[in-house]
Amino acid sequence: QSALTQPASVSGSPGQSITISCTGTSSDVGGYNYVSWYQQHPGKAPKLMIYEVSNRPSGVPDRFSGSKSGNTASLTISGLQAEDEADYYCSSYTSSSTGVFGGGTKLTVL
Amino acid sequence: QITLKESGPTLVKPTQTLTLTCTFSGFSLSTSGVGVGWIRQPPGKALEWLALIYWDDDKRYSPSLKSRLTITKDTSKNQVVLTMTNMDPVDTATYYCAQNSGSYRLDYWGQGTLVTVSS
Repeated sequence: QSALTQPASVSGSPGQSITISCTGTSSDVGGYNYVSWYQQHPGKAPKLMIYEVSNRPSGVPDRFSGSKSGNTASLTISGLQAEDEADYYCSSYTSSSTGVFGGGTKLTVL
Repeated sequence: QITLKESGPTLVKPTQTLTLTCTFSGFSLSTSGVGVGWIRQPPGKALEWLALIYWDDDKRYSPSLKSRLTITKDTSKNQVVLTMTNMDPVDTATYYCAQNSGSYRLDYWGQGTLVTVSS
């Protein structure tokens, strides 16, 4: 299956809000509520930030939120902080009973 | 405390078979609903989902790599092994294993291991 589509980069100033989109098809994002988001700092392993579209694991700040509409999922980070600067990846379950990742989005905090 | 760690060769030659081992602690792969997956990331590129094995030995593979991948588990040793045949330089990547506790989310990740394919 094809990778999910994410913007290559987004940016925002400290305190602002940003949204990263993740577009798939009815065979993945649109067909299931199994969308996850991961944060990856340079040289580090990814970290789960959102699962099942909008749920936060324990320890993830509530500044991070997720949503979905049709075939597009979104990650919103409010009150941007310097430490939020990282790469973000979405992932979804697919109709092939496998997973698929997005191409990744580089978040720059200005 | 859940931890995972990948191990295996750092360098393989083209056409060789890669064997990677994920050794984990803090959970059991005999617990209903639990799985362990493999993901890779070429240098400077995006994550790619490879394979997943569940507690009941159900196995899932990336459709594009299915013919080259095999995933197995040894519950008694808390290990999951991934083999990838016919390695090519484009397979050069950091390979991660991660725990799946449901809904295809990957809750805990290993540190990753860089595998370079070169003659």
